[in-house]
Amino acid sequence: GIQVEQSPPDLILQEGANSTLRCNFSDSVNNLQWFHQNPWGQLINLFYIPSGTKQNGRLSATTVATERYSLLYISSSQTTDSGVYFCAVERGTSYDKVIFGPGTSLSVIP
Amino acid sequence: DTEVTQTPKHLVMGMTNKKSLKCEQHMGHRAMYWYKQKAKKPPELMFVYSYEKLSINESVPSRFSPECPNSSLLNLHLHALQPEDSALYLCASSREYEQYFGPGTRLTVT
Repeated sequence: GIQVEQSPPDLILQEGANSTLRCNFSDSVNNLQWFHQNPWGQLINLFYIPSGTKQNGRLSATTVATERYSLLYISSSQTTDSGVYFCAVERGTSYDKVIFGPGTSLSVIP
Repeated sequence: DTEVTQTPKHLVMGMTNKKSLKCEQHMGHRAMYWYKQKAKKPPELMFVYSYEKLSINESVPSRFSPECPNSSLLNLHLHALQPEDSALYLCASSREYEQYFGPGTRLTVT
C-alpha cells in the first residue's frame, strides 16, 4: 500500500517564527489534505490540495504531485498553532481509503 | 456549514456493557467514516459508508458494529469491548474527496 512520511516528527518554535512541514508519499494520489489536530482532539481541515498552491491567511500549502510531496508553510506562528499536523492521502476514487501520515507535533512557545 | 457532530463526548464502559456512538452531519455528504485514534498515533480507518451502504471494513473485530440508518446519521454499536479498545473515535463525512471530522468520542473501557 501507499506509504506516507512526514517531517520533522517534532518541532518547537518561538512565537512569531516561520516553519515548513513536509509530507512525502510513495505513489500517485488523487487526494491530499492537511489537517491540524488541536490539543482537544479536534481535526480541523486546513487544505484540500492534490496539486498546486493554496493560501489561507498565515498558512499556505504546495503539492508537487509529480515528485510526490507536499509542503505546509506556517508564518508568524502563534501559540494557537500548537498541536499535531497530519497530511492524509487517497489513491483511488472518492470515498476510498484515506491514509494518514504519522504527523508533525508542533509546540509554539511565547 | 461544515459541522459534523458526535455524541457522547466521553464514554466509560465496562467490558460486558453495550453502548453506541452517534455521528450526524447535515451537509448532504454521501460518505461517512469511522476512525479510531490511539494516543500519539494518526487516525486509523475502521469503516466507510457510501450512499448508506458499507463499502469498506478494515477487518474490524465484530465487537464493533456500524450502522447507517440514513444519509445524515452514522452509529457505531459497541459490545464486549476490551481495555485495548480505549481510544478516541472520530467520525468524518465527505461530499467527494474532502473529509470533515467531528470532535470525537473519548472511550475508556474498564
